[in-house]
Amino acid sequence: EADIYQTPRYLVIGTGKKITLECSQTMGHDKMYWYQQDPGMELHLIHYSYGVNSTEKGDLSSESTVSRIRTEHFPLTLESARPSHTSQYLCASSERGRGEAFFGQGTRLTVV
Amino acid sequence: EDQVTQSPEALRLQEGESSSLNCSYTVSGLRGLFWYRQDPGKGPEFLFTLYSAGEEKEKERLKATLTKKESFLHITAPKPEDSATYLCAVLPSGTYKYIFGTGTRLKVLA
Repeated sequence: EADIYQTPRYLVIGTGKKITLECSQTMGHDKMYWYQQDPGMELHLIHYSYGVNSTEKGDLSSESTVSRIRTEHFPLTLESARPSHTSQYLCASSERGRGEAFFGQGTRLTVV
Repeated sequence: EDQVTQSPEALRLQEGESSSLNCSYTVSGLRGLFWYRQDPGKGPEFLFTLYSAGEEKEKERLKATLTKKESFLHITAPKPEDSATYLCAVLPSGTYKYIFGTGTRLKVLA
């Protein structure tokens, strides 16, 4: 069973607020990912990391930022939330050489 | 361009009615192909990894197969609890960025 955790599970926040979505994994995986997914729609990669101090933007333009100071922790920050940021955010991790990615339960963000 | 196409978009089955979901892919080189199950409002749950043509994996009522151009997820005698969206993803050679399909929404009726 995958040990990857996201908090909070649900978040309703006002426009203009700064928010940080947390993602932690206890598997020692070096690669971590953030995806955005609207209901019934496909996953879009917004950030990924190959290891500590390594982060890259994904294929979907995003106003969020990420950091990877520790192997197990990959938080995503929105400096100023807008209604267009309303979506589900999924964190995932994978191990070098194995291939399969494991996902957290997601954070459902609503910006009002 | 690397891409993944899943079909059908949606599928309704009667309980016990076996069927197959398709995942067609185009990649310059395949590191691996992955199947996931996703329930509404939750993260995808890993099911199978397939690495080379001819490979097969089984888990309960699910069986995944792989050819050089596509993968099938066979569902034998499905039950209502198998209702979910099934996602296919590929990992091209030389990268660790996954390419996901849009999924097949499966509904199994009692």
